[in-house]
Amino acid sequence: QQQVKQSPQSLIVQKGGISIINCAYENTAFDYFPWYQQFPGKGPALLIAIRPDVSEKKEGRFTISFNKSAKQFSLHIMDSQPGDSATYFCAAGSGNTGKLIFGQGTTLQVKP
Amino acid sequence: DGGITQSPKYLFRKEGQNVTLSCEQNLNHDAMYWYRQDPGQGLRLIYYSQIVNDFQKGDIAEGYSVSREKKESFPLTVTSAQKNPTAFYLCASSSSSGWGETQYFGPGTRLLVL
Repeated sequence: QQQVKQSPQSLIVQKGGISIINCAYENTAFDYFPWYQQFPGKGPALLIAIRPDVSEKKEGRFTISFNKSAKQFSLHIMDSQPGDSATYFCAAGSGNTGKLIFGQGTTLQVKP
Repeated sequence: DGGITQSPKYLFRKEGQNVTLSCEQNLNHDAMYWYRQDPGQGLRLIYYSQIVNDFQKGDIAEGYSVSREKKESFPLTVTSAQKNPTAFYLCASSSSSGWGETQYFGPGTRLLVL
C-alpha cells in the first residue's frame, strides 16, 4: 500500500516532442505529489508538485496531470529539449512527517 | 552560499568496518533525511529527523545508525551489519516536516565495498 509505481523505466524522445511519465499509488492517505529531476552524479531537485484538490498544474513546459479516482498522476514535458535528459522520480507523501515514497525512476533521453 | 554538503564524495569500506557519511546543512532547516539510491529502485528512506536529538527509522533502517546532536548535522553510520552497503547515499533537508515542504538534496556519497 505504500508503493508508488512509475513507468516507463526509460524513455527516448526526439527534440521538440512530448515526454510522458506515469505514476500510480494505492494509499489514499497520500496528499502531496512532487516530481524530482536528477542529473547523473547529482542529488535530485524538486521540479513541480501538486495537491489532490487540483487536476492539473503547469509550470513552463512541465505539467502534472492528476486523476484522484484512478489514483494516478503523470508528468508531461512539452517541447522536450536535450537539456531535459535526466532521471525523473515521482513521489507521494502525507501527514506531517515529511516522509516521501518515491517511484522507481524514469531515465529520459531527448535526442537532438 | 546556502545548501547541503555531503562528504566524502566517494567512500570505500572494507569488510567488517563501520563507516560514517557526513551531512551538513546551513539552511536552518529543522528536518533532515537519509536516502539510499540503487539502480532501478528509486530512493528509499533510511532514517529521518524532525528535530534535534530525535530521529525515526525509515523503511530500510537495518544496518544503519544516525545521530542528530546539532540542527545542522545528521551523520549516517553504515555498520558492518549492513551486508549490501554499495549504493549512492543522499541526504536531504526541509524547513520543517510539515505538509508539502520541499526536500532539498545534497550531492550524495557513493559507497563502495572493497
